Amino acid sequence: DIQLTQSPSFLSASVGDRVTITCRASQGLNSYLAWYQQKPGKAPKLLIYTASTLQSGVPSRFSGSGSGTEFTLTINSLQPEDFATYYCQQVNSYPRTFGQGTKVDIK
Amino acid sequence: QIQLVQSGSELKKPGASVKVSCKASGYTLTTYAMNWVRQAPGQGLEWMGWINTNTGNPTYAQNFTGRFVFSLDTSVSTAYLQISSLEAEDSATYFCARTYCGADCYAFDYWGQGTLVTVSS
Repeated sequence: DIQLTQSPSFLSASVGDRVTITCRASQGLNSYLAWYQQKPGKAPKLLIYTASTLQSGVPSRFSGSGSGTEFTLTINSLQPEDFATYYCQQVNSYPRTFGQGTKVDIK
Repeated sequence: QIQLVQSGSELKKPGASVKVSCKASGYTLTTYAMNWVRQAPGQGLEWMGWINTNTGNPTYAQNFTGRFVFSLDTSVSTAYLQISSLEAEDSATYFCARTYCGADCYAFDYWGQGTLVTVSS
């Protein structure tokens, strides 16, 4: 199984900050990596797929990059509604796996 | 608009069974595969497996064989997750999620709102 390790697991940030979350895979993913945002009590929301493609309707302050085994999610100018937990997911092979999550909290 | 609407919360005793439904609207159920994802309280997301909505063939992740069954009723555009012989450790929120596919399959683009299953005596 492909293991995904996110870092950091928790970060505190302020409105307006630039935030970067890293996802490292135990094997190459051919860019088949997605990012999700989850708020408490809600379903995950797709932000980015194929490492860097922004899902329709997602604000452009979210961006993704990377290939192979290392990927990043960047949020430019963090907004109040961005405080949430973020997960990466690989869809390169089965079983599909998620990272452990990164909680972005208010500083 | 596309929606996946899941059945409501369940409180079950150990050893009982539960069946969670996921009704698709705004698209044809058989067009996209359906996944099931578990989230234990305060924990991360765990992929349980998927069902081919054309053939009805399910695929289960290693941790979800034996007591877990995925099924469909295409006449009512609904996918189901049934869990038998419930244990306390099955207490979690269960999500259905559609696989987004174009030329290839890329992510889970629509999710149900989640169904909380609580197993307690």
